[in-house]
Amino acid sequence: AQKVTQAQTEISVVEKEDVTLDCVYETRDTTYYLFWYKQPPSGELVFLIRRNSFDEQNEISGRYSWNFQKSTSSFNFTITASQVVDSAVYFCALSEAGSNDYKLSFGAGTTVTVRA
Amino acid sequence: DAGITQSPRHKVTETGTPVTLRCHQTENHRYMYWYRQDPGHGLRLIHYSYGVKDTDKGEVSDGYSVSRSKTEDFLLTLESATSSQTSVYFCAISRGGNTGELFFGEGSRLTVL
Repeated sequence: AQKVTQAQTEISVVEKEDVTLDCVYETRDTTYYLFWYKQPPSGELVFLIRRNSFDEQNEISGRYSWNFQKSTSSFNFTITASQVVDSAVYFCALSEAGSNDYKLSFGAGTTVTVRA
Repeated sequence: DAGITQSPRHKVTETGTPVTLRCHQTENHRYMYWYRQDPGHGLRLIHYSYGVKDTDKGEVSDGYSVSRSKTEDFLLTLESATSSQTSVYFCAISRGGNTGELFFGEGSRLTVL
C-alpha cells in the first residue's frame, strides 16, 4: 500500500507566486518521521526538512514553510514568493521508527516549474 | 554529497548482460540503501544493508542482488539486465541516530537496450 501520496504531479507558477505542495501519509506507528527532499534539474537529492511525529509545530525556513497536521495525516510544504531556482521535483517521504532500519518510503514527487 | 560516490554514473548495456553498480562511502556508516527512481513512482527501495554481510530486501528487489563485504562498499548487481531495469539508481546512507534522514549519492543512470 502506498504510504506517501503526493496527489499533485505537476505545478506551474509564475515567479513570486506562492505554491503549496500536498503530502498525505499513512502509518500505524506512533513514532515516525516525515521528510521533504528537493531534486533540481541537475539530479541530486537535497534534504530539506525532517519532522518527527511528536512535533506538530509548523516550521519556517526563509521562503520555505511546512505545515504538519496529524489529524489529517498531512505534511504540506509551501514556497512563498517562488523563484526560478525553486524549479525542481519535490519528494515527501516517511520513515517509521518501528521498522528500526531507517528506510524511507517516498511519494511519487511533484514537479514544480517556476516561470520568469 | 561528498561522502558517497557511485560508479559508474552512466551506463548503457544490452538485455541479458550482467551489470554491477558500486556505492562507496567514506564515513563508516552502518546503513546503506539502493533506490531506483522512475517517473510516476518516486524512489523505491531495492535493497538495503545494516552491516557487513547483512542485507535485506526492499519493495522492488526482484531481479537484483546486493553484496556488502566491507563497510564502505555496497554493490548492486543485475544478474541479467532487462529493459524494465532502465532507471536512475541512487545509493544512500543513514548518518546515524533514530531520525531516518538519508543522504544520497549523485545517482547512476542505467539504460538497458
